[in-house]
Amino acid sequence: QQQVKQSPQSLIVQKGGISIINCAYENTAFDYFPWYQQFPGKGPALLIAIRPDVSEKKEGRFTISFNKSAKQFSLHIMDSQPGDSATYFCAASISGGYQKVTFGTGTKLQVIP
Amino acid sequence: DTAVSQTPKYLVTQMGNDKSIKCEQNLGHDTMYWYKQDSKKFLKIMFSYNNKELIINETVPNRFSPKSPDKAHLNLHINSLELGDSAVYFCASSPSPGLAYTGELFFGEGSRLTVL
Repeated sequence: QQQVKQSPQSLIVQKGGISIINCAYENTAFDYFPWYQQFPGKGPALLIAIRPDVSEKKEGRFTISFNKSAKQFSLHIMDSQPGDSATYFCAASISGGYQKVTFGTGTKLQVIP
Repeated sequence: DTAVSQTPKYLVTQMGNDKSIKCEQNLGHDTMYWYKQDSKKFLKIMFSYNNKELIINETVPNRFSPKSPDKAHLNLHINSLELGDSAVYFCASSPSPGLAYTGELFFGEGSRLTVL
């Protein structure tokens, strides 16, 4: 049972454009929603994360929007750059215990000059 | 001084062989993990250890045996390798749950296993 659904599978964006990746979850017990960025040949690294008590979190060009009632959250990359080309994973987990992070299926982003 | 280091980075082996992957973290974390990333990039947890104790075992064939000699090390041994075991295996670590815990996982760079 896949608990975190992610779309699109791949995304091509022009330099300077906005990249948007969407995720939906099923388990209402999830209370931590991170996004990880993975470059080829490297491990995933935390990019930005949000907890459900806020609807938006912004760090530089990266913004998470969170809709608790719809059980959806999304990553927006403003002014996308070729260096942002990577695979992005949304994820969800439950605090208060040992972390079992459920990952989305990943989105391969390509930013073209 | 890499935070989470795995060796080897690449393994190429024949079906039926046994292989091991080693992982070490110098972050002082109590919890370590093995994740498998398949050819479609899907990340799936396999095992988790906290202070050398197994806490998560996700329906992984018993050909896979993790071992944690201390909280800074988590190794993965795979017996009788099969074609379907070809994947990238990631080690990760995190602090134990607590007031300062953010939920962040720290990943190594992965070990790409190819079974021929």
